[in-house]
Amino acid sequence: NAGVIQTPRHKVTGKGQEATLWCEPISGHSAVFWYRQTIVQGLEFLTYFRNQAPIDDSGMPKERFSAQMPNQSHSTLKIQSTQPQDSAVYLCASSLEGGPAETLYFGSGTRLTVL
Amino acid sequence: GDSVTQKEGLVTLTEGLPVMLNCTYQTIYSNAFLFWYVHYLNESPRLLLKSSTDNKRTEHQGFHATLHKSSSSFHLQKSSAQLSDSALYYCALSDRASSGQKLVFGQGTILKVYL
Repeated sequence: NAGVIQTPRHKVTGKGQEATLWCEPISGHSAVFWYRQTIVQGLEFLTYFRNQAPIDDSGMPKERFSAQMPNQSHSTLKIQSTQPQDSAVYLCASSLEGGPAETLYFGSGTRLTVL
Repeated sequence: GDSVTQKEGLVTLTEGLPVMLNCTYQTIYSNAFLFWYVHYLNESPRLLLKSSTDNKRTEHQGFHATLHKSSSSFHLQKSSAQLSDSALYYCALSDRASSGQKLVFGQGTILKVYL
């Protein structure tokens, strides 16, 4: 079991460019979560899917952020027109069914730097 | 909505001294699940321990925590700090009703243990 896989590990974009982050959940896990990690805010919830369906995107900045899960083996987080304040580590996590008591298994994260 | 507060951003300790990291939470729901996740440098965040039972001590890897619903607290403790405990620690909350089964994290506490 390779765990949750996130690519790329690091991404540098210029202000106004687009960034796409990829996540492969643990095989057999039906829930996928995206979080943003910063020093100031800690781990902020962005969005989550269960069985590929979007369940809660209440943490997503509405205008430039979007997430998809086209199949059970990967999810993407896209940030359009990146801004310096988007610089953060973006973490993907998966769990077996998305239940409230379940353990989240995190990937290593993608460090996004917007110049 | 739900919230988690970790009042210490940084805790520094000499090896061998006891550890206590504070965590308090707010939720209107009585059925809350509390978690501690640990994030070591160059690794992925992972679960340290969790609980939903009032006044019951939960232990793992030398750490322990007791959920106190009367004070909405779930402090993390260890009797004797080790150098290898240096990491970023997150307290997190989920409940069956309001959060849609997503975890709400605190801002995190960096623990640095010195010789």
